[in-house]
Amino acid sequence: GQNIDQPTEMTATEGAIVQINCTYQTSGFNGLFWYQQHAGEAPTFLSYNVLDGLEEKGRFSSFLSRSKGYSYLLLKELQMKDSASYLCAVMDSNYQLIWGAGTKLIIKP
Amino acid sequence: IAGITQAPTSQILAAGRRMTLRCTQDMRHNAMYWYRQDLGLGLRLIHYSNTAGTTGKGEVPDGYSVSRANTDDFPLTLASAVPSQTSVYFCASSEAGTSNTGELFFGEGSRLTVL
Repeated sequence: GQNIDQPTEMTATEGAIVQINCTYQTSGFNGLFWYQQHAGEAPTFLSYNVLDGLEEKGRFSSFLSRSKGYSYLLLKELQMKDSASYLCAVMDSNYQLIWGAGTKLIIKP
Repeated sequence: IAGITQAPTSQILAAGRRMTLRCTQDMRHNAMYWYRQDLGLGLRLIHYSNTAGTTGKGEVPDGYSVSRANTDDFPLTLASAVPSQTSVYFCASSEAGTSNTGELFFGEGSRLTVL
């Protein structure tokens, strides 16, 4: 079956760096997405990777290795507002999005 | 402000009742989707529509129906609600259809409790 794995919860300190990992096993691959979801709110788009390598966007970067079925989201200079869940999703060969359960990131002062 | 509007934001419903969750977007997006989000699980696709007049089944379509009479509206109906349909429901849209590799835009969600 198809599967997306990411840690359930992580804790980090304000101002630090945190890496949230995502591993996937899907039927084909047409890209990997990261979304941010604050508690009680809608998910919002962060990044899209379809080729191997690092995509940087401000304090957030996303990395993809297709051969390893692996991605990570890197958050730098953490701020309290970064406390949220981070959702990893992979688009399979049928262009169906397969979602991970999300990683709840807790930022401590 | 452009975006997706869902209604109601929250509802408590007796089992066996019929319920329609409304979703309207003003971005003129072709594709629309309904997801449910349950604790400990990823978002699961219920139904989708690539363009007005067409709909398709997602991963968990049983007990739900949708219609897409026009570009803007995509209501989700529970014909006879059951407690296992207690969830948070998100409507989303994207510019293209399910082959789209662009971002999804989500509504704020509808929290449904079936007793």
